[in-house]
Amino acid sequence: DSGVTQTPKHLITATGQRVTLRCSPRSGDLSVYWYQQSLDQGLQFLIQYYNGEERAKGNILERFSAQQFPDLHSELNLSSLELGDSALYFCASSVNPENSPLHFGNGTRLTVT
Amino acid sequence: QQQVKQSPQSLIVQKGGIPIINCAYENTAFDYFPWYQQFPGKGPALLIAIRPDVSEKKEGRFTISFNKSAKQFSLHIMDSQPGDSATYFCAASAETSGSRLTFGEGTQLTVNP
Repeated sequence: DSGVTQTPKHLITATGQRVTLRCSPRSGDLSVYWYQQSLDQGLQFLIQYYNGEERAKGNILERFSAQQFPDLHSELNLSSLELGDSALYFCASSVNPENSPLHFGNGTRLTVT
Repeated sequence: QQQVKQSPQSLIVQKGGIPIINCAYENTAFDYFPWYQQFPGKGPALLIAIRPDVSEKKEGRFTISFNKSAKQFSLHIMDSQPGDSATYFCAASAETSGSRLTFGEGTQLTVNP
C-alpha cells in the first residue's frame, strides 16, 4: 500500500457531464501529481501541486482543472466530458517537488458513455 | 525533447529466465531514472531507481544498467517468477523539472510457470 488514497475507484458518467476525482497524499508528502493513463497514450502527466500552489502543467485540457487544499488533499475536476476522456486517472505524491520518489494511488477508472 | 522510448512492448519468458526491458531517452537533463511495476487494477509501484553517477544498481532480483553516453538504461529481472508478471514502466525526470516523471510506453511481462 503506497499510502496515497484515491476516490472513487470507478466512475461512470455521460458525455457532457462534470466529475470530481479526489486524492489524499501520503502522510508528510507536500507535492501531488495527476496522471492520465489510457491504452494508446500510456501515463501522461497532467498537473503538479506543491503545498497548495500549482507547480507545473503538462498535457492538461482546458476542460480539466485541479487544486490542492490546505489539508494537502487534491481534487481533479473534469468537465464537458467526452468519450475520449475515458481513462485511468492516477494521483501520486512526493515529499517535495525536487527529485523525490513518486508514490502512486490505485487510480480512478473513469468511463464516459 | 521529453520522450522516453521503451521496448519491447510485450515479453514472455519461462520461470527462471532473465527478462530484459530497455529504455532510451533524449533529454540530457534527465538525472533520475526509476522503474515502476504495475499489476492490473493497481497503481504503478516504485521498484528501483538509479541516478547517472552509477552504471548499475541491484535490489534483490532487480538490476538497472545505465549507459549515460548511449542515453539508455535497462531493467533485468533475475530468476523471474510467475508473480513478476506485470506491466513495467521506465521513467525519467530532471532536477530542473522537479519530481514529475516522463514515462515510457510500458512493457507487459508474462512469466510462464
